[in-house]
Amino acid sequence: DGGITQSPKYLFRKEGQNVTLSCEQNLNHDAMYWYRQDPGQGLRLIYYSQIVNDFQKGDIAEGYSVSREKKESFPLTVTSAQKNPTAFYLCASSPRQGGFAEAFFGQGTRLTVV
Amino acid sequence: KQEVTQIPAALSVPEGENLVLNCSFTDSAIYNLQWFRQDPGKGLTSLLLIQSSQREQTSGRLNASLDKSSGRSTLYIAASQPGDSATYLCAVKNGGSQGNLIFGKGTKLSVKP
Repeated sequence: DGGITQSPKYLFRKEGQNVTLSCEQNLNHDAMYWYRQDPGQGLRLIYYSQIVNDFQKGDIAEGYSVSREKKESFPLTVTSAQKNPTAFYLCASSPRQGGFAEAFFGQGTRLTVV
Repeated sequence: KQEVTQIPAALSVPEGENLVLNCSFTDSAIYNLQWFRQDPGKGLTSLLLIQSSQREQTSGRLNASLDKSSGRSTLYIAASQPGDSATYLCAVKNGGSQGNLIFGKGTKLSVKP
């Protein structure tokens, strides 16, 4: 089935540790996004990518990094510089950046600092 | 800066009722508006997408309307069922932000049997 796969579903990070969240899509979409969701807040954009080897910062990029080496993959690294990383992370994709395309989301990764 | 507001934040109704969820946005220069459903601990499921040139979209018991000039959208759910219990999110795709979605905080719906 076509879709967006995020892994792992749950992730635990120790203080000072970097962790990487995986996002893979087989929808042949050009654009991919990472959002963060906190209780009582709307989704906030971390990074987005329009094409392979290109990505842009969103509203809350500090403490995060991404890569886009393949069209189907857009991993997110939460670095030790992110002081409050506990949150629910959602990956999305869209056929193309901008325009009128519909966005589709994965099932999310819950990250907890221990 | 685009802001999206959803009212009410929470809603509880008995099974079988028709209900309306509201979404408002401050900048009418949008490409489209999308309604999502989110179950606890899960990702977002797209329900309806309304392009800026459209007035409404329907899927089964769901009907979404869009009044771009007034910055409002409604999601109408007919004959609600306990399985409709979830958080409903509204998001607009801005023309000026390279197509990124701007989300409201959602309406948490509970349908009682």
